[in-house]
Amino acid sequence: AQSVTQLGSHVSVSEGALVLLRCNYSSSVPPYLFWYVQYPNQGLQLLLKYTSAATLVKGINGFEAEFKKSETSFHLTKPSAHMSDAAEYFCAVSNTGNQFYFGTGTSLTVIP
Amino acid sequence: DGGITQSPKYLFRKEGQNVTLSCEQNLNHDAMYWYRQDPGQGLRLIYYSQIVNDFQKGDIAEGYSVSREKKESFPLTVTSAQKNPTAFYLCASVPRTGGRETAGNTIYFGEGSWLTVV
Repeated sequence: AQSVTQLGSHVSVSEGALVLLRCNYSSSVPPYLFWYVQYPNQGLQLLLKYTSAATLVKGINGFEAEFKKSETSFHLTKPSAHMSDAAEYFCAVSNTGNQFYFGTGTSLTVIP
Repeated sequence: DGGITQSPKYLFRKEGQNVTLSCEQNLNHDAMYWYRQDPGQGLRLIYYSQIVNDFQKGDIAEGYSVSREKKESFPLTVTSAQKNPTAFYLCASVPRTGGRETAGNTIYFGEGSWLTVV
């Protein structure tokens, strides 16, 4: 069985501060991991994904995530938060490409 | 531009009424999915289809029905049996499914549809 756990349903950071959104996964096979962003009343957009090519994955809008097998983690980071980063963020895991399992989401607030 | 189109964006349903949410994709993707999103609960899978004329139940299929008569279309019907249908519904698709060669496929989403019971 596969699952993801996102620690912290709400995260607040000041503009310009480091963003850290946590995701831990459970998978019996090598996982494929994703981070998605959702703005209000919109669908989910892919930020980045890990498919075993490199443990540090760079995505759009300055976000990156590091795959740590020993910690079963795939945390999302951004060095400096921008007001436009305020959104809901979802971590997801998939197996062979058929099934996707999403975390419950983390709402990011950026304080000016 | 290629993408996934959901309609309508906002829909109101009366008690005891069936309603259908449309989902069309022009990405030539094989698999299509329907998710329900409620605040604080993330995404829950309702139904998915990997090929035309075939679909499987997800985690919360009760009170919903789907069809997949064409590759590009996967409409979702919310029936009167669904007692709490008010939610945000997301349609998604994946390029190909099945087998190790499809591992790591990205799932793409439409813009979503709001359904409210009045």
